[in-house]
Amino acid sequence: GEDVEQSLFLSVREGDSSVINCTYTDSSSTYLYWYKQEPGAGLQLLTYIFSNMDMKQDQRLTVLLNKKDKHLSLRIADTQTGDSAIYFCAPFTRSARQLTFGSGTQLTVLP
Amino acid sequence: DAGVTQSPTHLIKTRGQQVTLRCSPKSGHDTVSWYQQALGQGPQFIFQYYEEEERQRGNFPDRFSGHQFPNYSSELNVNALLLGDSALYLCASSRQGRSTDTQYFGPGTRLTVL
Repeated sequence: GEDVEQSLFLSVREGDSSVINCTYTDSSSTYLYWYKQEPGAGLQLLTYIFSNMDMKQDQRLTVLLNKKDKHLSLRIADTQTGDSAIYFCAPFTRSARQLTFGSGTQLTVLP
Repeated sequence: DAGVTQSPTHLIKTRGQQVTLRCSPKSGHDTVSWYQQALGQGPQFIFQYYEEEERQRGNFPDRFSGHQFPNYSSELNVNALLLGDSALYLCASSRQGRSTDTQYFGPGTRLTVL
């Protein structure tokens, strides 16, 4: 089955850019999603990218996909304290009809 | 436009009991997926319901069962609760036929088993 790896922690200064990285194993993943989870809350959809794209920009968010290396990244420009949360990348495999999550990256934004 | 709703918000049970969690999908959605998120972990897929049938299941025992109603809402039932079932249970809804199958999550139900 699919395996997803992310760094556990990332700290940045307010106003800097954050880059969260993700690697996955299943090359048949059709869409790759980024979700944000604040303490005690559910998952908020941030953005997603089709597997046949290599970049997608959505306001402060930029997603880069290297399909050959099965590497996905999320860049957050001008990071704010409200961006502090856990970020999950989640490949979706249509045949399995499920999202697969890693342990997530805890982003801490320092003032 | 109402998002995904779940009830109850919190629940405390003892080992061996049974529990039922409820989910109402986002307006226009017809598919419901359930995930279990243990503390400090990412969500794990339990199963997915579409057209009132379970059509995909993750690696969970038969103690976990579900149901989908004609109005697309869904229930997750867990029998013979174990301490290890303590987790945040997340429901996600999506719409079949859309190219992305994008899943939108509810706020979750926090289950504590004592």
